[in-house]
Amino acid sequence: NAGVMQNPRHLVRRRGQEARLRCSPMKGHSHVYWYRQLPEEGLKFMVYLQKENIIDESGMPKERFSAEFPKEGPSILRIQQVVRGDSAAYFCASSHERTHSGDTQYFGPGTRLTVL
Amino acid sequence: AQKVTQAQTEISVVEKEDVTLDCVYETRDTTYYLFWYKQPPSGELVFLIRRNSFDEQNEISGRYSWNFQKSTSSFNFTITASQVVDSAVYFCALTWMDSSYKLIFGSGTRLLVRP
Repeated sequence: NAGVMQNPRHLVRRRGQEARLRCSPMKGHSHVYWYRQLPEEGLKFMVYLQKENIIDESGMPKERFSAEFPKEGPSILRIQQVVRGDSAAYFCASSHERTHSGDTQYFGPGTRLTVL
Repeated sequence: AQKVTQAQTEISVVEKEDVTLDCVYETRDTTYYLFWYKQPPSGELVFLIRRNSFDEQNEISGRYSWNFQKSTSSFNFTITASQVVDSAVYFCALTWMDSSYKLIFGSGTRLLVRP
């Protein structure tokens, strides 16, 4: 049973470019969460999605960041016009549908974004 | 407000020593869930344990044990007979009902186990 998959594992962008991070949840999981980990810090919640719906984006920066989880395909976290402060590790996590209440979130390996 | 505090930034022990990682949480909710995750040097996050607020039984899994005490809002993690492979950053996390079940993480404790 494959775990949560994220790609790319490492991404280098120059200031002003766009970054697209992809996440495929575990099989049978329809809840996806994105978190950001700045260097030497804990993880901070960004957004929670179910298929085709954003449920909670309270942790998402208001500008340049967007997320989607289409009916088919992976969840995408998109950062437009990246700045150096966006350099971080971005983790995706998924949880099971039927037992969602407080269910365990399983994390992917993360995408390390470096902005030059 | 919901909050998780891991006051120990870094702990260094010699192999085979026992070590306890502290976690103190704050929440207004009566139904909540606590977690521990391990982040080894390779960077991924590994789930270790999940505990419900209505289940205060302590848990043991091999060399790992967890002590949940609602009276002190603590959920401490003990590694017995530590090994070099236990070297990692350990995160305590909290979620609660009506929160979209997003996780609130502590700042982590870096554990270094020396041979």
